[in-house]
This record gives sequence, structure tokens and C-alpha cells, in this order.
Amino acid sequence: QLQLQESGPGLVKPSETLSLTCTVSSGSISRGSYYWGWIRQPPGKGLEWIGIIDYYGSTFYSPSLKSRVTMSIDTSKKQISLNLSSVTAAETAVYYCARLRYNWNDRAFDVWGRGTTVTVSS
Amino acid sequence: EIVLTQSPGTLSLSPGERVTLSCRASQSVSSSNLAWYQQKPGQAPRLLIYGASSRATGIPDRFSGSGSGTDFTLTIGRLEPEDFAVYYCQQFGSSTGTFGQGTKVEIK
Repeated sequence: QLQLQESGPGLVKPSETLSLTCTVSSGSISRGSYYWGWIRQPPGKGLEWIGIIDYYGSTFYSPSLKSRVTMSIDTSKKQISLNLSSVTAAETAVYYCARLRYNWNDRAFDVWGRGTTVTVSS
Repeated sequence: EIVLTQSPGTLSLSPGERVTLSCRASQSVSSSNLAWYQQKPGQAPRLLIYGASSRATGIPDRFSGSGSGTDFTLTIGRLEPEDFAVYYCQQFGSSTGTFGQGTKVEIK
């Protein structure tokens, strides 16, 4: 069964760049009809869509984060990366990696990683 | 960007009760683009409903989704103890997506 595992520094300083990696196991990263996404959740708050990427490297970002977000994919390593620049304390959150199914009748995140907590603090 | 507004914010209910959660979109959403998730404390969200009304694999049939356009509903037929959680709707359209702010279903 497909599994996703997020990894990266748990602590990032304000104004610096947050960098996370999602590793895909027990499944293919290169199949069509899927995107790979990042979603975050500040403590005690709701879910926020960050962006998605397909295995060609085509990306779609949240308009509110677009100027600071970069996502990339390495199909040989089966990894998806997230870079978020100029972070502030308000971006302290659990960051999730998830697979988005993309069919004619179905656009939903069907597999999720367990999430990784990132704290932005000096 | 489409804004999803969920109501109510919190529901206090007893096991066995029927639950109806609302998700209203700021503009029309294709049904294929509307999903519902359940999240329990300390866990990642779990997909319940996709395409507005199709149950995800392994989801009990007490969960059902309906709606179209700007108004969508998640119904839980009879609340089981494991159903007390936060529920989110989500849409994906115009190459970006958004989540609703969530509805918490708590034990009365």
C-alpha cells in the first residue's frame, strides 16, 4: 500500500526558507491521473492548501503563497520537495504530503503522510 | 479563489444521532471537485467522500454526501463513538484548491 513520509528540519528561523521532502514508498510516483500535494495545518486550526505537482513537474500553487513557494519532483528518488521562502512565525504548522487523485469524477487527496511539525522561531 | 464555508462550527451530539454538515461555496463547484475528510486529534485527515457523493474505500455506508453547485452536505446516518472528529470539505478547481474551516462533532 502506498505510503508517504515527510521529512525535514523541525525548526526554521524567521525570514529563512522552509525545505521539506516527501518520500513515496510501496507505489509509483510516475503514474498518470495523480498529483502530489502539500497541505499545512497550524496548531489548533484548519487545513490550508499549499500546492500540487504532477510527475511531469507541472505545478499549481495557492494564489496566496505563489510568490514564495517552489515544489519539485524527483521521480528517480520518488521524492517531492517543498520550499517556502521568507517564513514567519505564523507559518508554524504540521505540514502534510498527500496524493491527489485526478479523474473526470474525482479530485481528492486519497493518501496522506503522517505530517511533520515545523516551528518557525529564532 | 473559491471560499468554502462550513456550518455549524461545532455540533454537540450523542451516539446514535443523525448528523448533517453543510459546506457552501462562494461560487459554483463541479461535483467532481468536492470531497469530504475526517480528522481525529493527532492524525492526518482521512478521505470520506469524493465526487460529492461517492464513498472512499472502506468508508461505512452511514456516511453519505450530496449536493451540487454551491451547496454540499455530509450526512452521518447514526453517530458511532469513533465518528466524533473534525470534518472538512475541500474543492479543487481552476488549478487550485481550498478547504473549508471545518466542523467539529463532539460528544454531548
